Amino acid sequence: DAGVIQSPRHEVTEMGQEVTLRCKPISGHNSLFWYRQTMMRGLELLIYFNNNVPIDDSGMPEDRFSAKMPNASFSTLKIQPSEPRDSAVYFCASSLPGQMNTEAFFGQGTRLTVV
Amino acid sequence: QQQVKQSPQSLIVQKGGIPIINCAYENTAFDYFPWYQQFPGKGPALLIAIRPDVSEKKEGRFTISFNKSAKQFSLHIMDSQPGDSATYFCAARSYNTDKLIFGTGTRLQVFP
Repeated sequence: DAGVIQSPRHEVTEMGQEVTLRCKPISGHNSLFWYRQTMMRGLELLIYFNNNVPIDDSGMPEDRFSAKMPNASFSTLKIQPSEPRDSAVYFCASSLPGQMNTEAFFGQGTRLTVV
Repeated sequence: QQQVKQSPQSLIVQKGGIPIINCAYENTAFDYFPWYQQFPGKGPALLIAIRPDVSEKKEGRFTISFNKSAKQFSLHIMDSQPGDSATYFCAARSYNTDKLIFGTGTRLQVFP
């Protein structure tokens, strides 16, 4: 398996523009997580899905952020409109169900810069 | 959301030293405590994990010590090498959810 695949690897956009980040989880994994990494706050969990259903979105910073998982092999994180403070590295991770205490596998991340 | 406190923020040791990274938590529902290692430009990767029914776990040069009563756990890296230079994150997950909550990370530098 190629692991968790994220695209794009880098994104530079102007303030106010819409940004869409994409993630393909590992086949067979039914939990998917979106994290945001910054120097100040470390790795913050934004939202996670189980069997394509959003379970906990309490980490989503505000209404400008939305995430979808239309099927087991694809998820998106959208920011509309983007702001400079959204600049960060966004990671997607996937795992088997948590009660199995299994490893979460991370993608290589998308580095977002909003100017 | 910060439920796992990690220290120090950064650590510098010489080759062969034993860096120790500490984490503390409050939520007694946590029952799985992994450590992740992250190299620049890469996503975090699982290094070692422990459950609270044991007080210590070793894998190669990496050891987790766990103190359930104090709600603290730590990572020790024996005979540290320059290749261990990375950012280390502790994390915790509770038995009734898939949420994996991370500490703020420790940047470790090992000099030759």
